[in-house]
Amino acid sequence: TQLLEQSPQFLSIQEGENLTVYCNSSSVFSSLQWYRQEPGEGPVLLVTVVTGGEVKKLKRLTFQFGDARKDSSLHITAAQPGDTGLYLCAGEAGNQFYFGTGTSLTVIP
Amino acid sequence: KAGVTQTPRYLIKTRGQQVTLSCSPISGHRSVSWYQQTPGQGLQFLFEYFSETQRNKGNFPGRFSGRQFSNSRSEMNVSTLELGDSALYLCASSLVPGGLVALNYGYTFGSGTRLTVV
Repeated sequence: TQLLEQSPQFLSIQEGENLTVYCNSSSVFSSLQWYRQEPGEGPVLLVTVVTGGEVKKLKRLTFQFGDARKDSSLHITAAQPGDTGLYLCAGEAGNQFYFGTGTSLTVIP
Repeated sequence: KAGVTQTPRYLIKTRGQQVTLSCSPISGHRSVSWYQQTPGQGLQFLFEYFSETQRNKGNFPGRFSGRQFSNSRSEMNVSTLELGDSALYLCASSLVPGGLVALNYGYTFGSGTRLTVV
Protein backbone atom coordinates (compact mmCIF):
# COMPACT_ATOMS: atom_id res chain seq x y z
CA THR A 1 0.00 0.00 0.00
CA GLN A 2 1.37 3.37 -1.06
CA LEU A 3 1.21 6.25 1.38
CA LEU A 4 0.58 8.73 -1.44
CA GLU A 5 -1.89 7.80 -4.17
CA GLN A 6 -1.98 9.78 -7.38
CA SER A 7 -4.75 10.00 -9.93
CA PRO A 8 -5.10 9.56 -12.74
CA GLN A 9 -2.31 7.08 -13.37
CA PHE A 10 -2.19 7.90 -17.08
CA LEU A 11 -3.38 10.98 -18.93
CA SER A 12 -3.23 11.71 -22.66
CA ILE A 13 -4.51 15.09 -23.83
CA GLN A 14 -4.32 17.45 -26.78
CA GLU A 15 -2.09 20.50 -26.75
CA GLY A 16 -3.94 23.49 -25.32
CA GLU A 17 -6.17 21.53 -22.95
CA ASN A 18 -6.21 21.96 -19.18
CA LEU A 19 -5.68 19.13 -16.69
CA THR A 20 -5.50 18.41 -12.98
CA VAL A 21 -3.49 15.72 -11.23
CA TYR A 22 -4.32 14.68 -7.68
CA CYS A 23 -2.17 13.39 -4.84
CA ASN A 24 -4.03 11.93 -1.86
CA SER A 25 -3.15 10.37 1.47
CA SER A 26 -4.77 9.46 4.75
CA SER A 27 -1.65 10.76 6.51
CA VAL A 28 -0.71 14.32 7.36
CA PHE A 29 2.45 15.65 5.78
CA SER A 30 4.60 18.49 7.01
CA SER A 31 5.19 19.45 3.38
CA LEU A 32 4.60 18.16 -0.11
CA GLN A 33 6.72 18.43 -3.21
CA TRP A 34 6.05 17.87 -6.89
CA TYR A 35 8.64 16.47 -9.27
CA ARG A 36 8.64 15.89 -13.03
CA GLN A 37 10.59 13.08 -14.60
CA GLU A 38 11.40 12.80 -18.29
CA PRO A 39 12.30 9.46 -19.90
CA GLY A 40 15.81 8.31 -19.09
CA GLU A 41 16.36 10.96 -16.45
CA GLY A 42 15.84 11.38 -12.73
CA PRO A 43 12.94 13.41 -11.26
CA VAL A 44 13.41 17.18 -11.08
CA LEU A 45 11.88 19.25 -8.30
CA LEU A 46 9.12 21.64 -9.42
CA VAL A 47 7.76 23.07 -6.18
CA THR A 48 7.45 22.65 -2.41
CA VAL A 49 4.26 23.52 -0.52
CA VAL A 50 4.36 23.79 3.24
CA THR A 51 1.28 25.53 4.63
CA GLY A 52 -2.20 23.99 4.54
CA GLY A 53 -4.24 25.72 1.84
CA GLU A 54 -1.14 27.13 0.16
CA VAL A 55 -1.27 27.81 -3.56
CA LYS A 56 1.84 28.26 -5.67
CA LYS A 57 2.07 29.13 -9.34
CA LEU A 58 4.90 28.26 -11.69
CA LYS A 59 4.03 29.77 -15.09
CA ARG A 60 1.15 27.58 -16.36
CA LEU A 61 1.36 25.18 -13.39
CA THR A 62 -0.67 25.77 -10.21
CA PHE A 63 -0.01 23.69 -7.11
CA GLN A 64 -2.29 23.52 -4.10
CA PHE A 65 -1.78 21.94 -0.68
CA GLY A 66 -4.94 20.75 1.04
CA ASP A 67 -6.13 22.53 4.17
CA ALA A 68 -5.58 19.39 6.26
CA ARG A 69 -2.16 18.80 4.63
CA LYS A 70 -3.20 15.34 3.45
CA ASP A 71 -3.56 16.05 -0.25
CA SER A 72 -2.33 18.20 -3.08
CA SER A 73 -3.22 18.99 -6.66
CA LEU A 74 -1.35 20.12 -9.74
CA HIS A 75 -3.26 22.01 -12.41
CA ILE A 76 -1.74 22.70 -15.82
CA THR A 77 -3.30 25.34 -18.05
CA ALA A 78 -2.98 25.14 -21.83
CA ALA A 79 -0.77 22.05 -21.79
CA GLN A 80 2.16 21.91 -24.21
CA PRO A 81 4.11 18.92 -25.55
CA GLY A 82 7.02 19.97 -23.34
CA ASP A 83 4.86 19.18 -20.30
CA THR A 84 4.99 15.49 -21.20
CA GLY A 85 6.51 13.40 -18.44
CA LEU A 86 5.91 11.53 -15.22
CA TYR A 87 4.63 13.76 -12.40
CA LEU A 88 5.39 12.63 -8.88
CA CYS A 89 4.22 14.04 -5.61
CA ALA A 90 6.35 13.44 -2.54
CA GLY A 91 6.00 14.21 1.12
CA GLU A 92 7.75 13.98 4.43
CA ALA A 93 6.16 12.34 7.43
CA GLY A 94 8.27 11.68 10.45
CA ASN A 95 11.85 11.30 9.33
CA GLN A 96 11.07 9.70 5.99
CA PHE A 97 10.40 10.87 2.50
CA TYR A 98 7.65 9.19 0.45
CA PHE A 99 6.94 9.34 -3.27
CA GLY A 100 3.51 9.01 -4.86
CA THR A 101 2.48 6.41 -7.40
CA GLY A 102 2.99 8.86 -10.29
CA THR A 103 0.92 10.28 -13.14
CA SER A 104 2.21 9.76 -16.67
CA LEU A 105 1.17 12.72 -18.83
CA THR A 106 1.34 12.78 -22.63
CA VAL A 107 0.51 15.99 -24.45
CA ILE A 108 -0.21 15.40 -28.12
CA PRO A 109 0.73 18.24 -30.53
CA LYS B 1 28.10 23.13 -9.76
CA ALA B 2 28.25 19.45 -10.75
CA GLY B 3 25.05 17.47 -10.35
CA VAL B 4 24.54 14.01 -8.97
CA THR B 5 26.62 11.50 -10.90
CA GLN B 6 25.61 7.88 -11.17
CA THR B 7 27.75 5.22 -12.79
CA PRO B 8 27.38 3.22 -14.85
CA ARG B 9 24.36 4.50 -16.85
CA TYR B 10 23.53 1.07 -18.25
CA LEU B 11 24.33 -2.42 -17.08
CA ILE B 12 23.41 -5.90 -18.22
CA LYS B 13 23.96 -8.78 -15.82
CA THR B 14 22.94 -12.41 -15.70
CA ARG B 15 20.92 -14.04 -12.95
CA GLY B 16 22.96 -14.98 -9.92
CA GLN B 17 25.63 -12.35 -10.46
CA GLN B 18 26.19 -9.40 -8.18
CA VAL B 19 26.40 -5.72 -9.09
CA THR B 20 27.70 -2.50 -7.53
CA LEU B 21 26.30 0.89 -8.47
CA SER B 22 27.94 4.18 -7.59
CA CYS B 23 26.58 7.62 -6.75
CA SER B 24 28.52 10.85 -6.23
CA PRO B 25 26.27 13.49 -4.63
CA ILE B 26 26.41 17.23 -5.12
CA SER B 27 29.39 18.71 -3.34
CA GLY B 28 28.41 19.56 0.23
CA HIS B 29 25.43 17.21 0.31
CA ARG B 30 25.75 14.64 3.06
CA SER B 31 22.55 12.69 2.50
CA VAL B 32 22.21 10.06 -0.22
CA SER B 33 19.08 8.03 -0.82
CA TRP B 34 18.57 5.18 -3.24
CA TYR B 35 15.37 4.30 -5.07
CA GLN B 36 14.31 1.50 -7.38
CA GLN B 37 11.94 2.51 -10.15
CA THR B 38 9.91 0.04 -12.19
CA PRO B 39 6.83 0.59 -14.36
CA GLY B 40 4.67 -1.53 -12.10
CA GLN B 41 5.83 -0.39 -8.65
CA GLY B 42 6.89 3.20 -9.21
CA LEU B 43 9.61 4.67 -7.01
CA GLN B 44 10.43 2.34 -4.14
CA PHE B 45 12.70 3.53 -1.34
CA LEU B 46 15.78 1.36 -0.77
CA PHE B 47 17.83 3.14 1.87
CA GLU B 48 19.15 6.48 3.03
CA TYR B 49 22.62 7.35 4.24
CA PHE B 50 23.68 10.44 6.11
CA SER B 51 27.24 11.04 7.27
CA GLU B 52 28.19 7.42 6.56
CA THR B 53 25.32 6.02 8.65
CA GLN B 54 22.26 4.24 7.32
CA ARG B 55 19.28 6.20 8.67
CA ASN B 56 16.42 4.39 7.01
CA LYS B 57 15.88 1.21 5.07
CA GLY B 58 13.01 0.26 2.80
CA ASN B 59 11.29 -3.07 2.51
CA PHE B 60 13.82 -4.89 0.33
CA PRO B 61 15.56 -8.23 0.93
CA GLY B 62 19.01 -8.42 2.42
CA ARG B 63 20.48 -8.95 -1.07
CA PHE B 64 20.29 -5.17 -1.37
CA SER B 65 22.92 -3.33 0.63
CA GLY B 66 24.68 -0.02 0.55
CA ARG B 67 27.29 2.12 2.15
CA GLN B 68 28.49 5.68 2.22
CA PHE B 69 32.05 6.87 2.33
CA SER B 70 33.58 9.80 4.19
CA ASN B 71 33.42 11.95 1.05
CA SER B 72 29.62 11.24 0.91
CA ARG B 73 29.91 9.07 -2.19
CA SER B 74 27.67 6.07 -1.93
CA GLU B 75 27.51 2.61 -3.41
CA MET B 76 24.73 0.08 -3.48
CA ASN B 77 25.24 -3.60 -4.03
CA VAL B 78 22.81 -6.25 -5.15
CA SER B 79 23.89 -9.84 -4.75
CA THR B 80 22.44 -12.96 -6.39
CA LEU B 81 20.59 -10.97 -9.02
CA GLU B 82 17.07 -11.99 -10.01
CA LEU B 83 15.13 -11.12 -13.15
CA GLY B 84 12.82 -8.94 -11.04
CA ASP B 85 15.75 -6.73 -10.07
CA SER B 86 15.71 -5.20 -13.56
CA ALA B 87 14.93 -1.54 -12.96
CA LEU B 88 16.14 2.01 -13.02
CA TYR B 89 18.11 2.68 -9.84
CA LEU B 90 18.06 6.32 -8.83
CA CYS B 91 20.28 8.10 -6.37
CA ALA B 92 19.12 11.34 -4.73
CA SER B 93 21.27 13.70 -2.72
CA SER B 94 20.26 16.43 -0.33
CA LEU B 95 21.84 18.78 2.16
CA VAL B 96 19.96 17.30 5.08
CA PRO B 97 18.48 13.91 5.99
CA GLY B 98 14.91 12.77 5.45
CA GLY B 99 12.42 14.71 7.54
CA LEU B 100 13.97 18.02 6.63
CA VAL B 101 14.55 17.58 2.92
CA ALA B 102 11.51 19.42 1.64
CA LEU B 103 12.32 22.56 3.56
CA ASN B 104 15.90 22.51 2.35
CA TYR B 105 15.76 22.56 -1.45
CA GLY B 106 14.47 19.02 -1.87
CA TYR B 107 16.22 16.14 -3.51
CA THR B 108 18.51 16.33 -6.52
CA PHE B 109 18.44 13.13 -8.50
CA GLY B 110 21.01 11.55 -10.73
CA SER B 111 20.06 10.21 -14.17
CA GLY B 112 20.01 6.69 -12.81
CA THR B 113 21.54 3.35 -13.66
CA ARG B 114 19.44 1.15 -15.90
CA LEU B 115 20.04 -2.44 -14.76
CA THR B 116 18.86 -5.31 -16.92
CA VAL B 117 19.09 -8.83 -15.56
CA VAL B 118 18.92 -11.60 -18.16
